[in-house]
Amino acid sequence: DTGVSQNPRHKITKRGQNVTFRCDPISEHNRLYWYRQTLGQGPEFLTYFQNEAQLEKSRLLSDRFSAERPKGSFSTLEIQRTEQGDSAMYLCASSQNRGGAREKLFFGSGTQLSVL
Amino acid sequence: AQSVTQPDIHITVSEGASLELRCNYSYGATPYLFWYVQSPGQGLQLLLKYFSGDTLVQGIKGFEAEFKRSQSSFNLRKPSVHWSDAAEYFCAVGATRDDKIIFGKGTRLHILP
Repeated sequence: DTGVSQNPRHKITKRGQNVTFRCDPISEHNRLYWYRQTLGQGPEFLTYFQNEAQLEKSRLLSDRFSAERPKGSFSTLEIQRTEQGDSAMYLCASSQNRGGAREKLFFGSGTQLSVL
Repeated sequence: AQSVTQPDIHITVSEGASLELRCNYSYGATPYLFWYVQSPGQGLQLLLKYFSGDTLVQGIKGFEAEFKRSQSSFNLRKPSVHWSDAAEYFCAVGATRDDKIIFGKGTRLHILP
């Protein structure tokens, strides 16, 4: 168990550029979540997957954000035409849900995005 | 939709003193409730969770939490804090059939020597 891995750890970009982040969950986990966290706030839900299916996307998420999990393993989060308000820590988490039970989320260390 | 409120942004306690962090949730049915801790430079770590059964749940690092349906609360407690407990604590809620987990804004715990 190598934990949830996120790359890159830091990303600095200019406003208007596109960025893509990658998350590698714990290998046997079927659930994968993306959250965004700004300073002094809790993690804000963005979207989540069950295997390769995207189950829900937050209504707060603009069309500039898109996430994929093509083979039910790693996931990518892309932000197009970045804005300064997108600056945040982007967190990925995974879990193994068995039946109706809820298993705990394992979080990665996050990708810190700074939009200049 | 479910939501969670943490009324205290900052809490300061002396080392060795007892601790209680407040959490109130909003959800129509019995929710899934969690407490996570985030230390500086560290990822979020689960302290404990409540799904059903005994309303007093024990977690790691000596923490416990009590689910009170009548008050819609899930407060976190520790009888004696250590300097290493200084961190940010997040209460989170998940609906029974919807696996989305919503986090509160957090309470930052400061420990006085």
